[in-house]
Amino acid sequence: DSGVTQTPKHLITATGQRVTLRCSPRSGDLSVYWYQQSLDQGLQFLIQYYNGEERAKGNILERFSAQQFPDLHSELNLSSLELGDSALYFCASSVGGPLGDEQFFGPGTRLTVL
Amino acid sequence: TQLLEQSPQFLSIQEGENLTVYCNSSSVFSSLQWYRQEPGEGPVLLVTVVTGGEVKKLKRLTFQFGDARKDSSLHITAAQPGDTGLYLCAGGTQGGSEKLVFGKGTKLTVNP
Repeated sequence: DSGVTQTPKHLITATGQRVTLRCSPRSGDLSVYWYQQSLDQGLQFLIQYYNGEERAKGNILERFSAQQFPDLHSELNLSSLELGDSALYFCASSVGGPLGDEQFFGPGTRLTVL
Repeated sequence: TQLLEQSPQFLSIQEGENLTVYCNSSSVFSSLQWYRQEPGEGPVLLVTVVTGGEVKKLKRLTFQFGDARKDSSLHITAAQPGDTGLYLCAGGTQGGSEKLVFGKGTKLTVNP
């Protein structure tokens, strides 16, 4: 158990819909990262927040957005869903700070878009 | 775009055999991390290497970072069924960013 929690574990929805994935970081961690893992693309970095502020952006689509709240939990919002958005979505957290800081991954949310 | 290529993509061996998996890039990374991921779970960090030529050992696992910090290898001695999983390498980017660039992984199966 990494100490990072993600809900829900599974999500099945239809194309065009909007969903929200939730992540609670480890106690004391200020940084939250979101990743998408699919069979063909592997694990792709989406976005990072540090203490409520966006810190780094990766391959995140405009249909996707995220935020980190004052209690440090984070939400990833996915809208106008397409079949290709079906994937595992992971949240990771770290203390934050220098490069090479260890990231602890949650168990993931499996999103299926039908 | 920084890419990490992992090889082989799949590896199936018998218990007790040795194996090496590779992680290569044309880009220089400031650090290189290896993770193991089991089905239904998130990746778990095994090791971080930061110095070119660095070698780290973790029980039966030996990790090496290339001199030019563009490649890395993971060697497992006397593999056991518990080593089965997806092994991912991830490169840390420079400039203060904590983005990790992941390879697609090597799926290892160790048969009893």
